[in-house]
Amino acid sequence: SQQGEEDPQALSIQEGENATMNCSYKTSINNLQWYRQNSGRGLVHLILIRSNEREKHSGRLRVTLDTSKKSSSLLITASRAADTASYFCASGGSNYKLTFGKGTLLTVNP
Amino acid sequence: DSGVTQTPKHLITATGQRVTLRCSPRSGDLSVYWYQQSLDQGLQFLIHYYNGEERAKGNILERFSAQQFPDLHSELNLSSLELGDSALYFCASSAGPPSSYEQYFGPGTRLTVT
Repeated sequence: SQQGEEDPQALSIQEGENATMNCSYKTSINNLQWYRQNSGRGLVHLILIRSNEREKHSGRLRVTLDTSKKSSSLLITASRAADTASYFCASGGSNYKLTFGKGTLLTVNP
Repeated sequence: DSGVTQTPKHLITATGQRVTLRCSPRSGDLSVYWYQQSLDQGLQFLIHYYNGEERAKGNILERFSAQQFPDLHSELNLSSLELGDSALYFCASSAGPPSSYEQYFGPGTRLTVT
């Protein structure tokens, strides 16, 4: 079974709106990563936040990490139809594995 | 383009057969990972190799095996195939362990077992 859980499972918004996705994990981590997957394609790495960081930005992406709550959030600002995809969080620990959550399906309507 | 290549793109085979999936990592990456993605199980980690050595195992069945060769390419062997093995199989590579590095995914091999 997967360690992480994304919330919500699915999110539908209008172009220009912000999208927020949350992720929880269960064990201690070295980093938390977010990936994007277009239907049937390979995953694309978006951003990596280390366990000693609280917030990180990359373009229209903002990621926060709260290690006390074992949770992270991904904010996509000013969303576009091209942002439509599934988004996964993945926790990287010392066990040589990257553990993925079940993903949030984001639909951005034009 | 992530720089990770996988062959073949599609594979259709019958139950009981054996197949080999191939992966070439990004230039310079020593770590290779295999994942299985299906609708009911989601994205499942199978196995991780680093510079030819197995480093971590996930939900990999005994019917499945993998190896990483001296030139760093990797193969995933699936034998005695069952209908439930139908899935997308992804390979990913990274410069180092997941505790520090992001992974780069290949386009995947879609396996259909009939």
